[in-house]
Parts: sequence; structure tokens; C-alpha cells
Amino acid sequence: KQEVTQIPAALSVPEGENLVLNCSFTDSAIYNLQWFRQDPGKGLTSLLLIQSSQREQTSGRLNASLDKSSGRSTLYIAASQPGDSATYLCAVGSSNTGKLIFGQGTTLQVKP
Amino acid sequence: DAGVIQSPRHEVTEMGQEVTLRCKPISGHDYLFWYRQTMMRGLELLIYFNNNVPIDDSGMPEDRFSAKMPNASFSTLKIQPSEPRDSAVYFCASSFSENYGYTFGSGTRLTVV
Repeated sequence: KQEVTQIPAALSVPEGENLVLNCSFTDSAIYNLQWFRQDPGKGLTSLLLIQSSQREQTSGRLNASLDKSSGRSTLYIAASQPGDSATYLCAVGSSNTGKLIFGQGTTLQVKP
Repeated sequence: DAGVIQSPRHEVTEMGQEVTLRCKPISGHDYLFWYRQTMMRGLELLIYFNNNVPIDDSGMPEDRFSAKMPNASFSTLKIQPSEPRDSAVYFCASSFSENYGYTFGSGTRLTVV
């Protein structure tokens, strides 16, 4: 059974810092991996999708990497801003069914 | 496109009552997912459909929960009878295919008192 773990559960940084959020999964036979952002009381917004054949994806200040063999993914946020404060969720697609398994998320606070 | 549309946004009901949550996926998306989010358990997949057919309902907690997708543009999640432990945020999401990412709705916050 696929399990997804995100560490740390919470993170607080000053504005301008570069930071890394971590995601690990137990079954390396994944189909894809997706990072989401969730603001308090809101739905989930897709940030980046990495297919199993890819090593990384970039969007603006965000860069997500994938290492299937070690069961890890990282989300790198450059030059963090207070508007980046949210919960970031990692989700793994374990087969070609389209079904995603979510981690518990990392709650990020960026202080002005 | 208006995205994935869920209704109602908030629902407060008394224990024992029937609750129906609704979802309209993005047009052209073949997959539809129902998730439940709680502080204790995070996001849990309840059931998902492919081309209107239920594929995996192993996450449905009890027989009190049922889901239907009568056509490509509408799905319902029903709880009957509702219990306080069903209180959570219920999300619907859709996807074009297994190669594409999910688009989530804004969710329905259910409170059973």
C-alpha cells in the first residue's frame, strides 16, 4: 500500500529565503506526482505535475524534482514571499488509474 | 471554463438526516473523484469514476455513503443517515486522463450536529 509522507509538518521562514519542502513515498512504481497548494478554507490548486519519466518541472519560482528510485520529491520555492504562505500537499499517482494518494501536507508561513 | 463546481459550499444538518453533495466536473474530463478532508486523516479518496462508471469505491467508509454519476456532467455523494463523525470538507476533483493533473472544486464543508 502506497504511503506518502511530508516533512516537516510546519515551516516558518523570513521573507526572501529559498526553501525546500520534502515528500517521500514507499512504492517507487509511481505513475506521476503532483504538488498542490491549499489556502485556509479553500480548495486545492495544482502547482506542478511530474510524470514518472521526468526528473523535474518548473513554474516561475517553483521547481519540483522527482527521484523515483529513492522515493522522494522536493518542492523548491525561490525568494519566498508572504503570499506563499499556505499548506503544500504532495500526491502520488500509483498506477495508470489516475488515482492519487496524498501526504498530510506542510504548512508554510513566510513572515514579512 | 468555470472549473469544477460543487454545491452547496456549506451544509449544516442534524444527525440522522440525509445529505446530498453535488459536483459538476470540467467538460471533457473523463475522471471524477470524491475526497474527504479532516484534520486527523487528511485527504482520503472515497470513490472515483471513469466515463461515469464507478471504478474504485474501496474508500467509502460505510454503507451509509453512496455516490452516483448519471451523466458526464453531474455526480452526487449521498450520506444517509448522517452522523457527527461525517463532519468534514468533501472535495470533488476531475481529470482529463491519468496523465493529467487534477482540478479540484472549492469543497463542501459538512457539519453534522
